[in-house]
Amino acid sequence: DAKTTQPTSMDCAEGRAANLPCNHSTISGNEYVYWYRQIHSQGPQYIIHGLKNNETNEMASLIITEDRKSSTLILPHATLRDTAVYYCIVRITGTASKLTFGTGTRLQVTL
Amino acid sequence: EAGVAQSPRYKIIEKRQSVAFWCNPISGHATLYWYQQILGQGPKLLIQFQNNGVVDDSQLPKDRFSAERLKGVDSTLKIQPAKLEDSAVYLCASSFAGAQTEAFFGQGTRLTVV
Repeated sequence: DAKTTQPTSMDCAEGRAANLPCNHSTISGNEYVYWYRQIHSQGPQYIIHGLKNNETNEMASLIITEDRKSSTLILPHATLRDTAVYYCIVRITGTASKLTFGTGTRLQVTL
Repeated sequence: EAGVAQSPRYKIIEKRQSVAFWCNPISGHATLYWYQQILGQGPKLLIQFQNNGVVDDSQLPKDRFSAERLKGVDSTLKIQPAKLEDSAVYLCASSFAGAQTEAFFGQGTRLTVV
């Protein structure tokens, strides 16, 4: 699976958009970009995933660059409850695909 | 919909003792994962099952860790004997088969080895 690079930590004011970048310059054509987050003392929670098109759901938007070497997770209106560690994961297609976590970005949402 | 159930939530043991964790995945999920998460780090995959077969156990310390998934449903992870460095949260997750499916995680078992 391709490696990902994320900033160690970020801050965001409540109500503002949180933009979390991820670099995956060695991604292959059959690898998806997944985002999970982990709130303190809980298991990771799925947010969104995409292959090459931008995706949006009720939680967030995922913007993938045209060359697919990087992506950005956008939380449009961050709240205090969005404070968590956010993991960007590149995952190969296939039935037995692994889900490999890196160190993630610690997002702190402040008043 | 019931989530992934894990037990116990917390466990404290002395080094060299044995311990077992139990996981009940979401009904119908063919894929089951066990992860180890040491404080301050991301989850590390220990073993992945597809039904009751092992897909990947390359990072499982097989001299002391073992896992099984009977009848392709519940799973147990065992450590025998435990070391101090095994202190971590052990997370179980499950998903439908396939790469485009999201994995659902349990709350984890926090193990402290003293």
